[in-house]
Amino acid sequence: NAGVTQTPKFRVLKTGQSMTLLCAQDMNHEYMYWYRQDPGMGLRLIHYSVGEGTTAKGEVPDGYNVSRLKKQNFLLGLESAAPSQTSVYFCASVGRQGFYEQYFGPGTRLTVT
Amino acid sequence: GQNIDQPTEMTATEGAIVQINCTYQTSGFNGLFWYQQHAGEAPTFLSYNVLDGLEEKGRFSSFLSRSKGYSYLLLKELQMKDSASYLCAVLTDSWGKFQFGAGTQVVVTP
Repeated sequence: NAGVTQTPKFRVLKTGQSMTLLCAQDMNHEYMYWYRQDPGMGLRLIHYSVGEGTTAKGEVPDGYNVSRLKKQNFLLGLESAAPSQTSVYFCASVGRQGFYEQYFGPGTRLTVT
Repeated sequence: GQNIDQPTEMTATEGAIVQINCTYQTSGFNGLFWYQQHAGEAPTFLSYNVLDGLEEKGRFSSFLSRSKGYSYLLLKELQMKDSASYLCAVLTDSWGKFQFGAGTQVVVTP
């Protein structure tokens, strides 16, 4: 039982390049989330999904797109990376039943130059 | 607007007690959560309050007052390994949307 995994762990992009971050969970959780964490700003919600095939915007969705084609995977895309997107990205998941404890992946450290 | 406020940093001595306050003003409220995050690691769940009152879990306790928009996390018998950032988070609707505070860095000194 791996829990929540994220790929890649580190990445350096040039401005204007695109990339996709992959989040996978093996707990059969319904809800999945993408956050970014910047120094002094805590976790900010980018997009989230309440089930396969659904997505919704969070606090800071601009410049990002997401897809949830399979229940276990949640993809975060950057179409044209900007230096302002340099951050640590965390994925999390929550089961529909229970009290909404979030399980976090290990994070992806992205630098855009 | 929506706000979740926590102190930026607190310092305490090993063996002591520290109380981390969190005040919130959000569009909705369906529960308040505390997470611990060590440097370079992912957050891990500590506690959850949805009703007013105190929840105790070993050395950690969390309190909620919904009428005051206020919570605190109490860490007792501090250990060096408790040095970490503590994040307050509110579940703002019944569809699973969370909002986090900026976190409180707790430094435990010998």
